[in-house]
Amino acid sequence: LAKTTQPISMDSYEGQEVNITCSHNNIATNDYITWYQQFPSQGPRFIIQGYKTKVTNEVASLFIPADRKSSTLSLPRVSLSDTAVYYCLVEGEGGSYIPTFGRGTSLIVHP
Amino acid sequence: DAGVTQSPTHLIKTRGQQVTLRCSPKSGHDTVSWYQQALGQGPQFIFQYYEEEERQRGNFPDRFSGHQFPNYSSELNVNALLLGDSALYLCASSLEPGHRQHDTEAFFGQGTRLTVV
Repeated sequence: LAKTTQPISMDSYEGQEVNITCSHNNIATNDYITWYQQFPSQGPRFIIQGYKTKVTNEVASLFIPADRKSSTLSLPRVSLSDTAVYYCLVEGEGGSYIPTFGRGTSLIVHP
Repeated sequence: DAGVTQSPTHLIKTRGQQVTLRCSPKSGHDTVSWYQQALGQGPQFIFQYYEEEERQRGNFPDRFSGHQFPNYSSELNVNALLLGDSALYLCASSLEPGHRQHDTEAFFGQGTRLTVV
């Protein structure tokens, strides 16, 4: 399983755009990149998933460069309710589907 | 759709006791994975069940066992509880890889907070 590296913590302010970058140098050809959000004492919640280039949904955007060795989760105009831990996962489409979590990035949004 | 449901939400046990946690997967999902999350850490994979069999297992001792029923629901059993077993236990459901599209994600329950005293 490819290992991911992301910052332990980040701070931002309401209304700003937040970009969280994740490194996954050993990503395999069949691997997808998935981001989860977790609030205290709750289960992780799926945010977005992509394979290459750019993916956008109603919550976030995911930017993946051509070499796919990193990815950036972009949260537009964050609010206080976006304070959470964000996990970057690399998951193989083939074989068993086992989301493997690192320590994640703790994002704190200030007023 | 109720999503993934876990019971109980909170539980207090004494060291040495045994505990059973339960999980009902999201409707249509056939695979259940269990995770242990200690305070301040990411979820750690315990094992995964598909077709009523344990398919993969993480680095957890045999005190941790599980079961999946024909309706895809699952149980996690922990024997001889230790203080270090205190954690949030999460259940995640998904579709077996051969049955899912590229963009299908795992759905997590709210977890069971286990405290061992």
